[in-house]
Amino acid sequence: AQSVAQPEDQVNVAEGNPLTVKCTYSVSGNPYLFWYVQYPNRGLQFLLKYITGDNLVKGSYGFEAEFNKSQTSFHLKKPSALVSDSALYFCAVRAHRDNYGQNFVFGPGTRLSVLP
Amino acid sequence: SAVISQKPSRDICQRGTSLTIQCQVDSQVTMMFWYRQQPGQSLTLIATANQGSEATYESGFVIDKFPISRPNLTFSTLTVSNMSPEDSSIYLCSVMFGLNTDTQYFGPGTRLTVL
Repeated sequence: AQSVAQPEDQVNVAEGNPLTVKCTYSVSGNPYLFWYVQYPNRGLQFLLKYITGDNLVKGSYGFEAEFNKSQTSFHLKKPSALVSDSALYFCAVRAHRDNYGQNFVFGPGTRLSVLP
Repeated sequence: SAVISQKPSRDICQRGTSLTIQCQVDSQVTMMFWYRQQPGQSLTLIATANQGSEATYESGFVIDKFPISRPNLTFSTLTVSNMSPEDSSIYLCSVMFGLNTDTQYFGPGTRLTVL
C-alpha cells in the first residue's frame, strides 16, 4: 500500500532564507509525486509534479522539488522564502498506472511559517 | 485553466439534517472525486463520482451516508446525510482532465460545521 510521510508538522523560516519541506513515500512501482499548497479557507492548489525525466522539477511561485529514488524522497524547496508562502503544504503520491483516484494518497501536511 | 466551484462555501447545520454540496466545472472532465478534510487532518478520499452510474466508495464510506450524483461531465453533488458533529469537516471536490492525465485539481472546498 502506498504511504506518504511528512516528518515535520511545522517548519519556520525567516523571509529571504531558503526553505525545505520534506516528503518521503512508499509505493510499489514507479511513483507519480505531487505537491499541493492550501492557504487558509481555500482549497488545494497544485504546485508541481514528478512523473518521469529530470529529478529536479520546477513549479509555481518559484518552488521546485527534487525526486530521489534511492532515498524515496521528494522534498519541496524554494531558494528565497516569502511571507506569502506561509501555508499548509501537502505531498501526495499515486502509483503509476493504478486506478485513477483510488491510489492518490496524501501526506499529513506541513505548516510553513515564514517570519518577516 | 478550468474553474472549479463549490456551493455552499460554508454552512452550519443541525444534527440529524442533511446537506448537499455542489461541484461545478466550467469544462468537461473525465474524473471527479470527493474528499474529506477533518480539522487539522490530511485529505481522505470519500469516493469517485462516476457519470451515469453509482459512485465508487472507499473503505469506511457508504452510499447511505454520502450519496453522490454525477449527471454529466461537469457537475457532481455530495450529500452528507443525518449529520452529526463528527461530520464537521471541509469537503473538497477534485477533477482530472483527460484519460491519460495524472494531476488532480481541487475546488475551493465547503466548510461544514454540525452543531
